[in-house]
Amino acid sequence: GAVVSQHPSRVICKSGTSVKIECRSLDFQATTMFWYRQFPKQSLMLMATSNEGSKATYEQGVEKDKFLINHASLTLSTLTVTSAHPEDSSFYICSAIAGVLPYNEQFFGPGTRLTVL
Amino acid sequence: TQLLEQSPQFLSIQEGENLTVYCNSSSVFSSLQWYRQEPGEGPVLLVTVVTGGEVKKLKRLTFQFGDARKDSSLHITAAQPGDTGLYLCAGPFTSGTYKYIFGTGTRLKVLA
Repeated sequence: GAVVSQHPSRVICKSGTSVKIECRSLDFQATTMFWYRQFPKQSLMLMATSNEGSKATYEQGVEKDKFLINHASLTLSTLTVTSAHPEDSSFYICSAIAGVLPYNEQFFGPGTRLTVL
Repeated sequence: TQLLEQSPQFLSIQEGENLTVYCNSSSVFSSLQWYRQEPGEGPVLLVTVVTGGEVKKLKRLTFQFGDARKDSSLHITAAQPGDTGLYLCAGPFTSGTYKYIFGTGTRLKVLA
């Protein structure tokens, strides 16, 4: 299967700082990338859908000014958590697809563990 | 509203036992996917079921899609410690844009 990477894998930051997480599709061009958030022992919750060259579509309840998503190229999407607070601590996972849903498989990155002190 | 409910939420069994995990919805899905996720990693796709009534086998795992395409099940025969993980079903959902929604998850622990 196709490979999706995330960087960093773990990050610890102080409250009030901003953190950028990168999601890259390594061997295919991703028309769409998805950003998920996962709390301990819970399922994945979709935060936003990111299409290359256009604004991200955020799910209800997700603050777009707090979670900035940029999809500048077909292989890179970034999620920036601005003015992070301890409640933003979570496991963030991205996925990427080549083509359109539901006919194409989405490939997941390994996730990024964010801890805000 | 959670569109995909999984049961049970937690399951702890002995090696060699059989188990079934259910994924239920009141909505019809064009397809459903099953994933397994290990701690600190992203989910890994196990199977996609597309046709109502479809049965797919992956070694000791048997996946079934309900006739009405509202539910699915995952049956594991002779579970092994390596089967331990979080099992997630997911289905495509459209609300303006296409996306996947995930079920509530079933955490399985297989004891040696």
